[in-house]
Amino acid sequence: SQELEQSPQSLIVQEGKNLTINCTSSKTLYGLYWYKQKYGEGLIFLMMLQKGGEEKSHEKITAKLDEKKQQSSLHITASQPSHAGIYLCGANSGGGADGLTFGKGTHLIIQP
Amino acid sequence: DAGVIQSPRHEVTEMGQEVTLRCKPISGHNSLFWYRQTMMRGLELLIYFNNNVPIDDSGMPEDRFSAKMPNASFSTLKIQPSEPRDSAVYFCASSVNEKLFFGSGTQLSVL
Repeated sequence: SQELEQSPQSLIVQEGKNLTINCTSSKTLYGLYWYKQKYGEGLIFLMMLQKGGEEKSHEKITAKLDEKKQQSSLHITASQPSHAGIYLCGANSGGGADGLTFGKGTHLIIQP
Repeated sequence: DAGVIQSPRHEVTEMGQEVTLRCKPISGHNSLFWYRQTMMRGLELLIYFNNNVPIDDSGMPEDRFSAKMPNASFSTLKIQPSEPRDSAVYFCASSVNEKLFFGSGTQLSVL
């Protein structure tokens, strides 16, 4: 089965600083999904990457999928308190509409 | 659109009791997923349905767990009998075009 390793497990960043979260897969990724979870709430979809080398941005968050499609990074520029939460990467190993396998998440804390 | 609706939001029960979690997916979504989240194991897929039919239940931990989807707008996850190790947050998600939309979860505590 596919396993996703996220790093770091937790991150404390001063407001305004940039940060990067990584997600590494044990198998080739057919689709890589980034979600954000606020404490006590459900997951909110951020971005989906499918092609090797693909990069997508939404507001101050940029996600990339490497050429070999086994690693993805999520980069936040000029972090704000609203960015705090748990970031999870999810992957579909079969390429179809099966359930996603998720990493254990990265806990992000933004210090004012 | 109300999103995926789960009930109850919180459930506290005693070991040995039956627990039923409920989910209403987003209208028009043809896939429904049940996940369990714990600190130790993260988010685990328990079972998913396509067009109301269970496709993969390999993540269901034991026979004490069962899930049904009698129609396109309702699903239940039942635990009978419940045990303290079942304590977790249970999420329901529905999808269209491979993008999953999650409910707010049910926080289950089994004492």
